[in-house]
Amino acid sequence: DSGVTQTPKHLITATGQRVTLRCSPRSGDLSVYWYQQSLDQGLQFLIQYYNGEERAKGNILERFSAQQFPDLHSELNLSSLELGDSALYFCASSVAQFIYNEQFFGPGTRLTVL
Amino acid sequence: DQQVKQNSPSLSVQEGRISILNCDYTNSMFDYFLWYKKYPAEGPTFLISISSIKDKNEDGRFTVFLNKSAKHLSLHIVPSQPGDSAVYFCAASGSTSGTYKYIFGTGTRLKVLA
Repeated sequence: DSGVTQTPKHLITATGQRVTLRCSPRSGDLSVYWYQQSLDQGLQFLIQYYNGEERAKGNILERFSAQQFPDLHSELNLSSLELGDSALYFCASSVAQFIYNEQFFGPGTRLTVL
Repeated sequence: DQQVKQNSPSLSVQEGRISILNCDYTNSMFDYFLWYKKYPAEGPTFLISISSIKDKNEDGRFTVFLNKSAKHLSLHIVPSQPGDSAVYFCAASGSTSGTYKYIFGTGTRLKVLA
């Protein structure tokens, strides 16, 4: 158990819909990272927040957005969903702000878009 | 444009022998490299990292080698154990002109045979 929690574990929705994925980092961690893992794809870094501020941005679509709240939990919002958005979404956290610091991953949320 | 490549999708090794997982990158801006291990239905777990100013980093049974001139890194696991059977991802991070990149390879599935 990494100490990072993600909810929900599974999510099934339809094209065009909007969903919100939630992540609670390990106690004391200030950075939260979001990743997408599609079928047959490696991990893709989406975005990082550090202490409430956006720190680094990867291949995040404009239909996706994220935020980190004062209590340090984070939400990833996915809108106008397409079939290709079906994937495993991971959240990770770390103490420091640098992306190369050791990150602790949650178990992931599996999103299925029908 | 696959900037981080793991050309071997799978690898089988006998228990007790050395496992060597390879990773190639194309962008000279990367200055940190990381390896993660992932079991099915779990989030990735950080294994080991290396800065571009080093050519070797060791942690127990795991050693990462970096050859900057060849833009190549490798992860050595000695001795290999059945519990090492997992998918291994390499990742590279770096920034230039305020643009941050953090890119993962597509993974190599290691199977350690008892």
